[in-house]
Amino acid sequence: NAGVTQTPKFQVLKTGQSMTLQCAQDMNHNSMYWYRQDPGMGLRLIYYSASEGTTDKGEVPNGYNVSRLNKREFSLRLESAAPSQTSVYFCASSETLRGLSYTFGSGTRLTVV
Amino acid sequence: GENVEQHPSTLSVQEGDSAVIKCTYSDSASNYFPWYKQELGKRPQLIIDIRSNVGEKKDQRIAVTLNKTAKHFSLHITETQPEDSAVYFCAASYSGGGADGLTFGKGTHLIIQP
Repeated sequence: NAGVTQTPKFQVLKTGQSMTLQCAQDMNHNSMYWYRQDPGMGLRLIYYSASEGTTDKGEVPNGYNVSRLNKREFSLRLESAAPSQTSVYFCASSETLRGLSYTFGSGTRLTVV
Repeated sequence: GENVEQHPSTLSVQEGDSAVIKCTYSDSASNYFPWYKQELGKRPQLIIDIRSNVGEKKDQRIAVTLNKTAKHFSLHITETQPEDSAVYFCAASYSGGGADGLTFGKGTHLIIQP
């Protein structure tokens, strides 16, 4: 039982490059999330998907897009990376949107130079 | 939306002493309050949670208390050990319309001094 799997674990991009972060869960969860974690800022929600077929903006969506490919997979895309997007990105999932804890992936450390 | 404040940002305690981390939330409709522990370079992991119909919950050396009237909740760790060193996050889940899941505090870096 892998839980939540994120790829890649590390990535270095040049300013202006694009990339997609992949996330998959095998727990049959309905809701999935993308967070970024920066020193002193805690975990900030980028986008979330309450259920398959829906996506919504979180606190810091600018510069990102998401796709809920199916119930298992939720990807995060940076179309034109900027140094301000240097961060650690976590994907998470939960059975429903409200009232339940999350299972987090192991994170992606992204550096934009 | 919900706003969660967490204090202190850094807490240093002697091994064997107790540690207390406090959080406040803004929306009285929030009804679920989990705590996550994140070790260096690792993912956040749930350590304990509490729902609004309960005032206190314990799990071995860890306890969480909730005061709905004051809209604050706290994590208590007794007999601290070196492996308790980590960043701890509180969170609140709002159950009303337009909710977007958990809102996290900014975290507390707990340092256990030998």
